[in-house]
Amino acid sequence: GQQVMQIPQYQHVQEGEDFTTYCNSSTTLSNIQWYKQRPGGHPVFLIQLVKSGEVKKQKRLTFQFGEAKKNSSLHITATQTTDVGTYFCAGPGVYGSGNTGKLIFGQGTTLQVKP
Amino acid sequence: EAGVAQSPRYKIIEKRQSVAFWCNPISGHATLYWYQQILGQGPKLLIQFQNNGVVDDSQLPKDRFSAERLKGVDSTLKIQPAKLEDSAVYLCASSSLGRAGGRNTQYFGPGTRLTVL
Repeated sequence: GQQVMQIPQYQHVQEGEDFTTYCNSSTTLSNIQWYKQRPGGHPVFLIQLVKSGEVKKQKRLTFQFGEAKKNSSLHITATQTTDVGTYFCAGPGVYGSGNTGKLIFGQGTTLQVKP
Repeated sequence: EAGVAQSPRYKIIEKRQSVAFWCNPISGHATLYWYQQILGQGPKLLIQFQNNGVVDDSQLPKDRFSAERLKGVDSTLKIQPAKLEDSAVYLCASSSLGRAGGRNTQYFGPGTRLTVL
């Protein structure tokens, strides 16, 4: 079945270091979304990428959608303790005759930042 | 704008007991989702409603799980009887998908942490 995979599963960095998580889909995606889940919290929407090769920035976060629309990455420059949490990518799933709006989530990358 | 509300926040039950979770989505959101999130994993969709109709329940274990959204607003998810492997966080989310100009950005509630002993 359709799968979305993320690596690494965990990353420990020193505050100020950079961080990157990678997301790969078994199928071509029409778009990809990224969510952040703080410890004990719930997923919160960060961004959606739609176009092939698209790059979007939010302050220290840079999101990229691959040319083939099967992979994506999130890069955080100069991490801060507030960046701690689990970052999920999610792609539209297909059910029955087409896209119903469901999302298939990756297993997430948990980021720990040492002050 | 009020977010997605869920109750209870925590529930501990014995195996073979039943449990129900409640969700109130963001006002005006046509689509409601129930997810199961097992520790260390991403959310897994159990069921998706658009208004009061089921869009996708392919991953719902129908022998023990049921869900309804009778008036197209609030929803309840029930487990009967519960098994040890049902221990997880149950997340409700909603989106404006299904309305004119609607988007698939999903807004999650705080979740219900279920422990089955």
